[in-house]
Amino acid sequence: GENVEQHPSTLSVQEGDSAVIKCTYSDSASNYFPWYKQELGKRPQLIIDIRSNVGEKKDQRIAVTLNKTAKHFSLHITETQPEDSAVYFCAAHNYGQNFVFGPGTRLSVLP
Amino acid sequence: NAGVTQTPKFRVLKTGQSMTLLCAQDMNHEYMYWYRQDPGMGLRLIHYSVGEGTTAKGEVPDGYNVSRLKKQNFLLGLESAAPSQTSVYFCASSYMDGSNQPQHFGDGTRLSIL
Repeated sequence: GENVEQHPSTLSVQEGDSAVIKCTYSDSASNYFPWYKQELGKRPQLIIDIRSNVGEKKDQRIAVTLNKTAKHFSLHITETQPEDSAVYFCAAHNYGQNFVFGPGTRLSVLP
Repeated sequence: NAGVTQTPKFRVLKTGQSMTLLCAQDMNHEYMYWYRQDPGMGLRLIHYSVGEGTTAKGEVPDGYNVSRLKKQNFLLGLESAAPSQTSVYFCASSYMDGSNQPQHFGDGTRLSIL
């Protein structure tokens, strides 16, 4: 079955710097990769996703890149702000199968 | 449009007690899921349903049962609660139109078993 690894487990950056979180997956059939942000005590919320037919997707300060050959995808947050502090989860999905989540990365943006 | 609603939000049980967690969605989604979230372990799938009247086991199904009698509702039951089931439980739903669609999560149920 699918296995998703996520690194780093914790990440601290200064406000205004960039943050990068990387995930690797094992099943080459996975073709959809969402990223969720979870603030303390709240629900996971989708922030960006990418399908396997594209290599990069951007939404304002957030971008995701996908390398199908290496089976890894990354979340990039530029110009980080204190409100970006949260736990971020990546996931891998193949249509008809279940989502498999990474263990999460706790991002702290220091003022 | 409330999205995914979970009840209750908090509950404390004694070992051996039973309870049912309710998940309701108003987005007409076919797929529904129950996850548990423990510190440092991300989201682990307990059971899921691909449509009304169907259920299937996920990664960690032992000690739980589910039912999906109506498309909009997905119930998670604990027949005899154990301290190891102390966790935050999230319900999610997703649309299935022949392509990959994201999951929408409820606010969670924080369950403590004493």
